[in-house]
Amino acid sequence: GEDVEQSLFLSVREGDSSVINCTYTDSSSTYLYWYKQEPGAGLQLLTYIFSNMDMKQDQRLTVLLNKKDKHLSLRIADTQTGDSAIYFCAEKKVYGNKLVFGAGTILRVKS
Amino acid sequence: SQTIHQWPATLVQPVGSPLSLECTVEGTSNPNLYWYRQAAGRGLQLLFYSVGIGQISSEVPQNLSASRPQDRQFILSSKKLLLSDSGFYLCAWGSTNYGYTFGSGTRLTVV
Repeated sequence: GEDVEQSLFLSVREGDSSVINCTYTDSSSTYLYWYKQEPGAGLQLLTYIFSNMDMKQDQRLTVLLNKKDKHLSLRIADTQTGDSAIYFCAEKKVYGNKLVFGAGTILRVKS
Repeated sequence: SQTIHQWPATLVQPVGSPLSLECTVEGTSNPNLYWYRQAAGRGLQLLFYSVGIGQISSEVPQNLSASRPQDRQFILSSKKLLLSDSGFYLCAWGSTNYGYTFGSGTRLTVV
């Protein structure tokens, strides 16, 4: 099927690290993405990783890709209250030039 | 720079009324355009995508239709709205390899 699966909810304390996990389905996907959605807003592209990479770091964000297990994770270091949002994992399908999104992970940061 | 405009931001419509949501993109030509629906503030469902003027692909059977009358204009329509059409509608344009840029969304409530 086309399901991209994510953990539904994550609660962390301010200053801790957050790790959001995702599994995707298409081993031939070329790009994988993480998006952030704040309440009532559209989706904001946070970062993406090309399928021939294992890791990508961008400031507080680290993306890890395990192609064998089709597992993607997003680590947010020093999580802040402003990081509270829904985080979506997405894979780019080879056919149809479209992105398939997971259901989103609600990240709640407690101060 | 590329920008995407989506309107209206919120809409309350009675059951059985027509619908027209508009999305326009600036700063790029021949973009891939997408309509997504997000129900209950969570997962994204791809409704339609278009790779060119007059070219529409429908992902799921539904009460909605889409049209692309101009290169950078994408319209979502319905002749008669149902209660189940309520949701948050997001337009996006797609860069081939660098993910999608989303509009700010339209919150549709059918009453």
